[in-house]
Amino acid sequence: NAGVTQTPKFQVLKTGQSMTLQCAQDMNHNSMYWYRQDPGMGLRLIYYSASEGTTDKGEVPNGYNVSRLNKREFSLRLESAAPSQTSVYFCASSEVLRLLNTEAFFGQGTRLTVV
Amino acid sequence: AQSVTQLDSQVPVFEEAPVELRCNYSSSVSVYLFWYVQYPNQGLQLLLKYLSGSTLVKGINGFEAEFNKSQTSFHLRKPSVHISDTAEYFCAVSAQGAQKLVFGQGTRLTINP
Repeated sequence: NAGVTQTPKFQVLKTGQSMTLQCAQDMNHNSMYWYRQDPGMGLRLIYYSASEGTTDKGEVPNGYNVSRLNKREFSLRLESAAPSQTSVYFCASSEVLRLLNTEAFFGQGTRLTVV
Repeated sequence: AQSVTQLDSQVPVFEEAPVELRCNYSSSVSVYLFWYVQYPNQGLQLLLKYLSGSTLVKGINGFEAEFNKSQTSFHLRKPSVHISDTAEYFCAVSAQGAQKLVFGQGTRLTINP
């Protein structure tokens, strides 16, 4: 019963390097999300996907791209990492009931440091 | 668009005292409401949720919350806290047709012995 699985758990990048954070869910959910968490800022939505084949920007999309590869997988890509992207990243998924998203299930997070 | 405001960024309380963490939301349509807890260096875990029905919702670890539509609030309460309740708590809202969940800024609950 894996739920939402994120990889990697930790990553250190040099400024300008690129990387992709992977996320997969096994609950057959339509909606998937990427959030970043910074001290004192709460959770901020980077991108979300309401269904396979669709993606939309959240509050803080600059410097990121996403791919909804299929219903299970939603990846986040940093094309040219910057120190301001040092953060903890969370992937989440949820189902839709009566046109509202129900509870989100979260992965364990990726702690990313850009030096 | 929906939004969530958690009115306190930090709440210190003594062990066995009651606590209330405040959450207000803004939305012109129907909503679902959630409280999540994040223990140090861990992911987010659902505490409780309001989808419909009774406005008083009970969750895990003795927490409960009351949905007040007229005041657009969803405050979290516990009658007697324990050291193990030390964590960050997040309120979240899902609005009809919005296709996304929006989180508040979080409230750090610190329990003093």
